[in-house]
Amino acid sequence: EVQLLESGGGLVQPGVSLRLSCAASGFIFSNYGMSWVRQAPGKGLEWVSTISGGGTSTYYADSVKGRFTISRDNSKNTLYLQMNSLRAEDTAVYYCARAVSGSYSTWGQGTLVTVSS
Amino acid sequence: DIVMTQTPLSSPVTLGQPASISCRSSQSLVHSDGNTYLSWLQQRPGQPPRLLIYKISNRFSGVPDRFSGSGAGTDFTLKINRVEAEDVGVYYCMQATQFWTFGQGTKVEIK
Repeated sequence: EVQLLESGGGLVQPGVSLRLSCAASGFIFSNYGMSWVRQAPGKGLEWVSTISGGGTSTYYADSVKGRFTISRDNSKNTLYLQMNSLRAEDTAVYYCARAVSGSYSTWGQGTLVTVSS
Repeated sequence: DIVMTQTPLSSPVTLGQPASISCRSSQSLVHSDGNTYLSWLQQRPGQPPRLLIYKISNRFSGVPDRFSGSGAGTDFTLKINRVEAEDVGVYYCMQATQFWTFGQGTKVEIK
């Protein structure tokens, strides 16, 4: 069974850093591009970042460019999101998702990041 | 950036009746590879999103055939043939032709 499990969320103060992880299982991880998508409380979905299967290509939304870094360790079947200089507007549930045929076929349950003083 | 606009934003429907959601993109979603990367996702209350339709009209594995997608270029539609109680939730269109963008979401609820 294809599964994605996010971890690393929590309550942090503005300006600090946090690293999210997404553990994948049930498929050949390195064969798939992976993304992070977030959802602020009561709001819609916002694409955050994408990384290719081999990790050589990365893409970021303008709202996080220069602050967030996506990476992956294919030997550990794990996706990461390093978030620096966090702001209140980064408060959201962060989902990792597997990219297939121009969409996202599998989603994790999400991890909540709350940025507040 | 490609902007995705959904209408309506809320759709009260009667059980067993059809529902339709429109999605318009600010520019053509036809990719240079010939594909149109427009998909539809469903998010039930308290759940992560779930893929329903990819590349305009292809139903994902396990998706009931009462869901169908159509359209081309910049105008797309998701139709639910006969709404069931389990279809309550928010529906998003998403484009992946030029980076990735979601529509605002359409809330489907039972009258």
